[in-house]
Amino acid sequence: EKVMTQSPATLSVSPGDRATLSCRASQSVSSNLAWYQQKPGQAPRLLIYGASTRATGIPARFSGSGSGTEFTLTISSLQSEDYAIYYCQQYNNRPPWTFGQGTKVEMK
Amino acid sequence: QVQLQESGPGLVQPSGTLSLTCAVSGDSISSSNWWSWIRQPPGKGLEWIGEIFHSGTTYDNPSLKSRVTVSVDKSKNQISLKLKSVTAADTAVYYCARKALLTIGGVFQTPFDYWGQGIQVTVSS
Repeated sequence: EKVMTQSPATLSVSPGDRATLSCRASQSVSSNLAWYQQKPGQAPRLLIYGASTRATGIPARFSGSGSGTEFTLTISSLQSEDYAIYYCQQYNNRPPWTFGQGTKVEMK
Repeated sequence: QVQLQESGPGLVQPSGTLSLTCAVSGDSISSSNWWSWIRQPPGKGLEWIGEIFHSGTTYDNPSLKSRVTVSVDKSKNQISLKLKSVTAADTAVYYCARKALLTIGGVFQTPFDYWGQGIQVTVSS
């Protein structure tokens, strides 16, 4: 099983500032990596797939990078609606598909 | 617009079987997509449970020790989940989700693009 580790667990960011979230895989997942946003009481929403491709309707302030074992999600200028928990997930090769434990982005 | 809706009992007895259904609209269960179950214990992260293709081929998470059965009903355009021998550790919000079939440079990408709203299931006597 590929273990996904996210850091930090909590990120305190002021509105308008940049947020940088990290995700590390225990073994290479190539570019088969997605990022999701989850708000309280809601299902996760797909933000990024293929490590760097924004899903339909996702604002350009969200960007993803990386390949292999190291990945980054960047929110260039944090908006009020971006405070949420973010999960990375690998879908490389074969199941089980695995998620990171999440990074909570909170207001500073 | 693709929509998924989970349904089933919100309370299950310990050692019993959890049974949920996911009704799909806006897409056919017989499309080229896989359909998954994912859960989230209170205050915790996401755990993939298992998935099914319309042919009936399934995969499940080895961590659940063969307690999982995922099935498909093409006539009703829905999938189902059965989790047997449940304990309090199985208390969670259960989601069904569609695995997308996207391409980047000719390479298939399969993230989860559509999710149900989730259903809270509590295991308790």
